[in-house]
Amino acid sequence: EAQVTQNPRYLITVTGKKLTVTCSQNMNHEYMSWYRQDPGLGLRQIYYSMNVEVTDKGDVPEGYKVSRKEKRNFPLILESPSPNQTSLYFCATAGGGAGELFFGEGSRLTVL
Amino acid sequence: QKEVEQNSGPLSVPEGAIASLNCTYSDRGSQSFFWYRQYSGKSPELIMFIYSNGDKEDGRFTAQLNKASQYVSLLIRDSQPSDSATYLCAVNILGGYQKVTFGTGTKLQVIP
Repeated sequence: EAQVTQNPRYLITVTGKKLTVTCSQNMNHEYMSWYRQDPGLGLRQIYYSMNVEVTDKGDVPEGYKVSRKEKRNFPLILESPSPNQTSLYFCATAGGGAGELFFGEGSRLTVL
Repeated sequence: QKEVEQNSGPLSVPEGAIASLNCTYSDRGSQSFFWYRQYSGKSPELIMFIYSNGDKEDGRFTAQLNKASQYVSLLIRDSQPSDSATYLCAVNILGGYQKVTFGTGTKLQVIP
């Protein structure tokens, strides 16, 4: 079954405690991306990756890091989380000709 | 001006009616256009995509694109309570799928 798997699904943490949200896909897609979703602001792109070792900033990259060492994995790193990073995060992949995105189930992060 | 604009709703329609969801975009160079459905607490899933001016039909769904007016819409015929969700319009600014920008979504309520 084609899947985009995110972990953790839910996390409550404190300001400044480094955390990583993992994203793994089994669809052999080259493109992967991270979005955050906030009420009234919709989905906003954080970072994307066109292929292994190729990453680029989206619209809201501040406070986040990513890496793409393997095709299937695209972790999102918050080096020093702050309360304004409390959000619902989605990982997405694309590989079809239409450019449609396939989303993971989401990770709800709360930073106290 | 937001790149992709949608009325947040809620849009309420009776069961069996036609629901009309609208989206405008600002970049005339936009290449492709997507409609995603997002149930509460779930991840977005693709309903339809459209590239060319005119209508594209898929079952009860019809996407309409007017590039001159920078307008894309989604019609849902014979609306069902199970169609109640938030509908996200997404626009690919650069072509390919690197830069996909989402609207904030329109919440649809289908009243039984």
